[in-house]
Amino acid sequence: QSALTQPASVSGSPGQSITISCTGTSSDVANYNYVSWYKQHPGKAPKLMIYDVSNRPSGVSNRFSGSKSGNTASLTISRLQAEDEADYYCNSYTSISSYVFGTGTKVTVL
Amino acid sequence: QVQLQESGPGLVTPSGTLSLTCALSSDSISGNNWWSWIRQPPGKGLEWIGEIHLSGSTHYSPSLKGRITISADNSNNQFSLKLNAVTAADTAVYYCARHGYNFGYYFDSWGQGILVTISS
Repeated sequence: QSALTQPASVSGSPGQSITISCTGTSSDVANYNYVSWYKQHPGKAPKLMIYDVSNRPSGVSNRFSGSKSGNTASLTISRLQAEDEADYYCNSYTSISSYVFGTGTKVTVL
Repeated sequence: QVQLQESGPGLVTPSGTLSLTCALSSDSISGNNWWSWIRQPPGKGLEWIGEIHLSGSTHYSPSLKGRITISADNSNNQFSLKLNAVTAADTAVYYCARHGYNFGYYFDSWGQGILVTISS
């Protein structure tokens, strides 16, 4: 089971929007609406930001949104803020009843 | 909100068995949730290890299957991970996590993580 592919880094200025892609296969992202996204600060546990492709848990800012097209899911962060700087990971359920994470993306706020 | 706490040895010798426990502060492992173990080698990405349900059903990562056992102790509100034949490649921060309620395919609560180093 190979990791989902994410860009290593994405950057943007405060107030801008950025999008992180997450590319999988027909065994995961393409055939299941069970993509989730996690934010992780160094030395801390990950935090759920998006689940089931596009749903936000209570307490997560509406600046975070998720979508999916084919075998690629995306996380968009609007009105970028300094506090958004972190590592972001996607995750998908798979056809063999397992889960696979993405390679991770470091978001830098310029 | 449920809190999860990992515990176990921080150092394991190569070829030995890594044993960790995840204790739940509230909620109950007998609720309608799945519970997972996830790890992160130093400076690297997240890797899903396996999951368990109250029914006793388990699913394991294909890359680790054969070396893993995940079990639940309902009476003590905890679940455990055993990983056999460890090598330096198993050095990582190990997290336990709760899936979303009612068969949620995501992880909505995480423990703080515990660093386990494989070394002689």
